[in-house]
Amino acid sequence: NAGVMQNPRHLVRRRGQEARLRCSPMKGHSHVYWYRQLPEEGLKFMVYLQKENIIDESGMPKERFSAEFPKEGPSILRIQQVVRGDSAAYFCASLGQREETQYFGPGTRLLVL
Amino acid sequence: QKEVEQNSGPLSVPEGAIASLNCTYSDRGSQSFFWYRQYSGKSPELIMFIYSNGDKEDGRFTAQLNKASQYVSLLIRDSQPSDSATYLCAVKYSSASKIIFGSGTRLSIRP
Repeated sequence: NAGVMQNPRHLVRRRGQEARLRCSPMKGHSHVYWYRQLPEEGLKFMVYLQKENIIDESGMPKERFSAEFPKEGPSILRIQQVVRGDSAAYFCASLGQREETQYFGPGTRLLVL
Repeated sequence: QKEVEQNSGPLSVPEGAIASLNCTYSDRGSQSFFWYRQYSGKSPELIMFIYSNGDKEDGRFTAQLNKASQYVSLLIRDSQPSDSATYLCAVKYSSASKIIFGSGTRLSIRP
């Protein structure tokens, strides 16, 4: 996962606040995936983005969640009006051009109080 | 609903033995298959990928793909305590760009 950066690594929010999670892909990668992982569970696909485009958002909750990947800057996963059930680890992965392999960032652990 | 199924474990294997991890998938059109290892509290790291039927070996790891039976497996030879982790199977479907993960199998190597 070298090269994929996520920040913050830990984020604490109170119910009703907004959470912004950032992901910078590996150099030269223009595709980003976001996943959510609850404790002791697998990775759940949320959204797949290319620069300035949402390719597949079929895993995103219909409300409160949004994602973007602007031409300049990191990809942002935004969660509005957080609830306790949003507490999870959120991983970003960038797509390698060769062999279609994903490389994961270190994740952001979100805790909603 | 496209699915990837794994036995959650835990799978306990003595040190030095072969650990066998299995994964089944529902979509026959799937193209690419991946195995990731995830230590507790860490992010997944890629171990192997496989596209074609048969075996693919890399060091102590061998991935096996059988598209007719829709399963992919990972063998770990000469298991070490450091192999204790959760192993995630992932599948890239032909008709979609997303990659679907199984829920993972916890592997424990006992000394």
